[in-house]
Amino acid sequence: DAGITQSPRYKITETGRQVTLMCHQTWSHSYMFWYRQDLGHGLRLIYYSAAADITDKGEVPDGYVVSRSKTENFPLTLESATRSQTSVYFCASRAGVDSPLHFGNGTRLTVT
Amino acid sequence: DQQVKQNSPSLSVQEGRISILNCDYTNSMFDYFLWYKKYPAEGPTFLISISSIKDKNEDGRFTVFLNKSAKHLSLHIVPSQPGDSAVYFCAAYNQAGTALIFGKGTTLSVSS
Repeated sequence: DAGITQSPRYKITETGRQVTLMCHQTWSHSYMFWYRQDLGHGLRLIYYSAAADITDKGEVPDGYVVSRSKTENFPLTLESATRSQTSVYFCASRAGVDSPLHFGNGTRLTVT
Repeated sequence: DQQVKQNSPSLSVQEGRISILNCDYTNSMFDYFLWYKKYPAEGPTFLISISSIKDKNEDGRFTVFLNKSAKHLSLHIVPSQPGDSAVYFCAAYNQAGTALIFGKGTTLSVSS
């Protein structure tokens, strides 16, 4: 099916572990984004990418790494997970300027 | 400092009545605004948008009003239905037009 998919849907990991959240879109959208949703904070931008091999920091990038070797994939890696990174992570993409973002269904990550 | 503010965390309305969700922004350079709706365990879905060259945009039961001088926008839902119960996020494109900045969200509850 066309759209944007995130995997896994749920993940539990331990403090200090590396974990990668996957995002795949089938629209060939240029722009892709990672947001995190936390109670009391709404949705905050972690990183975004304007095209393959072009990435940029958002509001809360510390502790995260992204890559975009292919247009359709935009993985997010927590290099050494901390409890403060327990959150729901949303990937999104958009076609062009002033276009709405289309979101995946999220990954709920718990760091113990 | 929050650039997009939704000061009401929650709103309760009866079925058939009007729901009015409010949003304020601080940056006068913002020129494109969107509303998203989010159900539990799903990603946000795009609802309606408005450009700063307009002061109103309608789509069925949903109308967004923009008051640029007050840096305020509102989403009106008429008539409200129980299926409208969700979290509503107001968002604005940043000055560069590259990423969306979200408010913290308002939880709407529509009772039958």
